[in-house]
Amino acid sequence: LAKTTQPISMDSYEGQEVNITCSHNNIATNDYITWYQQFPSQGPRFIIQGYKTKVTNEVASLFIPADRKSSTLSLPRVSLSDTAVYYCLPIFSGGYNKLIFGAGTRLAVHP
Amino acid sequence: DTEVTQTPKHLVMGMTNKKSLKCEQHMGHRAMYWYKQKAKKPPELMFVYSYEKLSINESVPSRFSPECPNSSLLNLHLHALQPEDSALYLCASSLNPAGGPGETQYFGPGTRLLVL
Repeated sequence: LAKTTQPISMDSYEGQEVNITCSHNNIATNDYITWYQQFPSQGPRFIIQGYKTKVTNEVASLFIPADRKSSTLSLPRVSLSDTAVYYCLPIFSGGYNKLIFGAGTRLAVHP
Repeated sequence: DTEVTQTPKHLVMGMTNKKSLKCEQHMGHRAMYWYKQKAKKPPELMFVYSYEKLSINESVPSRFSPECPNSSLLNLHLHALQPEDSALYLCASSLNPAGGPGETQYFGPGTRLLVL
């Protein structure tokens, strides 16, 4: 399974765009990049998933370069409620849906 | 309904007690999971059930015993736990056991367990 590296923590202010980059140098051909968000004392929640280039949904955008060795989660105009831990996970498309969480990035949004 | 429910929300037990955690989903999902999460750490996979059969056990001690009575229900039976087993226990479900694009896991809010 591909190992991921993310910043341990980030700080931002309300209204700013936040970009969280995840490194996954040994990602496999069949792996999809998936991001989950976790608020304190809650279970993780799926945010976005992609294989390459750019994916956008109502919550975030995900940028994956051609070599797929990294990915960037972009949160536009964050609010205080975006304060959470964000996990980047490569998910193998052909096997059991086994989530192996890395350390994640603790995002703190300040007023 | 995209909800996974877990009961109880909180549980305090002694090392000689037997207790059970319960998880339910009514989304027709055929895969269900137990994770353990210690404070300030990421969730760690414990068990995977696929079509009501145990398919993955991540070398979890036998004092944790999972059970899947039907496709909507997942239990975790606890016996002779240690204080270091205190953690948030998360249940999740997904439509198919095999991963793939768009295949996501839905997590419940967890049961916070304290072993004294």
